[in-house]
Amino acid sequence: GENVGLHLPTLSVQEGDNSIINCAYSNSASDYFIWYKQESGKGPQFIIDIRSNMDKRQGQRVTVLLNKTVKHLSLQIAATQPGDSAVYFCAENSPGNTPLVFGKGTRLSVIA
Amino acid sequence: EPEVTQTPSHQVTQMGQEVILRCVPISNHLYFYWYRQILGQKVEFLVSFYNNEISEKSEIFDDQFSVERPDGSNFTLKIRSTKLEDSAMYFCATAPRGTNEKLFFGSGTQLSVL
Repeated sequence: GENVGLHLPTLSVQEGDNSIINCAYSNSASDYFIWYKQESGKGPQFIIDIRSNMDKRQGQRVTVLLNKTVKHLSLQIAATQPGDSAVYFCAENSPGNTPLVFGKGTRLSVIA
Repeated sequence: EPEVTQTPSHQVTQMGQEVILRCVPISNHLYFYWYRQILGQKVEFLVSFYNNEISEKSEIFDDQFSVERPDGSNFTLKIRSTKLEDSAMYFCATAPRGTNEKLFFGSGTQLSVL
């Protein structure tokens, strides 16, 4: 079974530093990946996505890296700001009529 | 920017009672989903809905759960006889075309079963 509990992994960073949040996905058939940000009491908010034919994609202050060999996904946030404090989830989708599956989440705390 | 709207934001109910959670999808979206999140845990898939029928459902979505689109705009999740373990945040999500694209989530309904 899965190890899910009340305590999320936490990453604490100083304001202005870069953040790297990691995710190991489970399904080697997954071909589409999304990072979501969830602030307290709110729904997941889309940040950036990447398809399996790419290994890097950049957005505004964010970069997603995909390593299919080791089934690893990372989210890099440049110049982290207090407003970036939230829980970050990776999500994966595999071909066919399958739902988006979320990972366990990482809490990012930005220290001003 | 278009939003998925959920009502109510909070629902408190007694164990064994029926609850209906409501969602107004983004207007041109065709695929609808319900997810739930127990406090401190990850977001879990419940059910997907397209063309007025269930596309896929998880093992969580047992006979106590049902979904429908009663009037062409609202998308509802009904729990017939709530249990304590149904207490969670329930999120509605929608997408224009279906799988392999991003989902747009509502702000959720916090369900507390006493």
